[in-house]
Amino acid sequence: EVQLVESGGGLVQPGGSLRLSCAASGFTFRRYWMSWVRQAPGKGLEWVANIKPDGSEKYDVDSVKGRFTISRDNAKNSLYLQVTSLRVEDTGLYYCARPYCTDSDCLSHFDLWGQGTLVMVSS
Amino acid sequence: QSALTQPPSASGSPGQSVTISCTGTSSDVGGYKYVSWYQQHPGKAPKVMIYEFSKRPSGVPDRFTGSKSGNTASLTVSGLQAEDEADYYCCSYAGSNSYVFGTGTKVTVL
Repeated sequence: EVQLVESGGGLVQPGGSLRLSCAASGFTFRRYWMSWVRQAPGKGLEWVANIKPDGSEKYDVDSVKGRFTISRDNAKNSLYLQVTSLRVEDTGLYYCARPYCTDSDCLSHFDLWGQGTLVMVSS
Repeated sequence: QSALTQPPSASGSPGQSVTISCTGTSSDVGGYKYVSWYQQHPGKAPKVMIYEFSKRPSGVPDRFTGSKSGNTASLTVSGLQAEDEADYYCCSYAGSNSYVFGTGTKVTVL
């Protein structure tokens, strides 16, 4: 079965850190760009970060620059998001998502999503 | 990277149609063909319903159609059914390998 399963969320104090993981299965993980998308409680979706199949290129949204780091281990079919210097506004459900790839690019849309892992930042 | 603008809510009776707009700028919606729409039921992960403005993934009913005019994309749900009641989000590629989502629209089937 083609799926993404996130883990690693939890309750953390402001300024704290977590490492989120996403285990991929059912497809050739090393061939795909991967992304993290988050959703604050009762709010909309926000793209967080992307990483190239070989990990050589990474992109993230301005609000997390310098605090969050996306990475991957293709040997373990796993995607990660190291989140540091956490703020209350980082609270939310963090989804692992796979951008759909055509013959020419991988920019079209997100065709596979996990169920998310919850990060709660509170004192 | 400001969120794309969607109406907070939309509604219709079963069998009717509802159209949701998604307004951006020339740096996102108006500048690329990569606009997609996602349906999200409570407690569930988003599901893509439309991509590249008007294409439907396999398995998505043809009641869902997408279009674009200038900096605004639209999603129309025809023949509304109870299971269409959900939150809908647009998403656009915004250049430099980044994306921006819409503010979201709650669709209610009356």
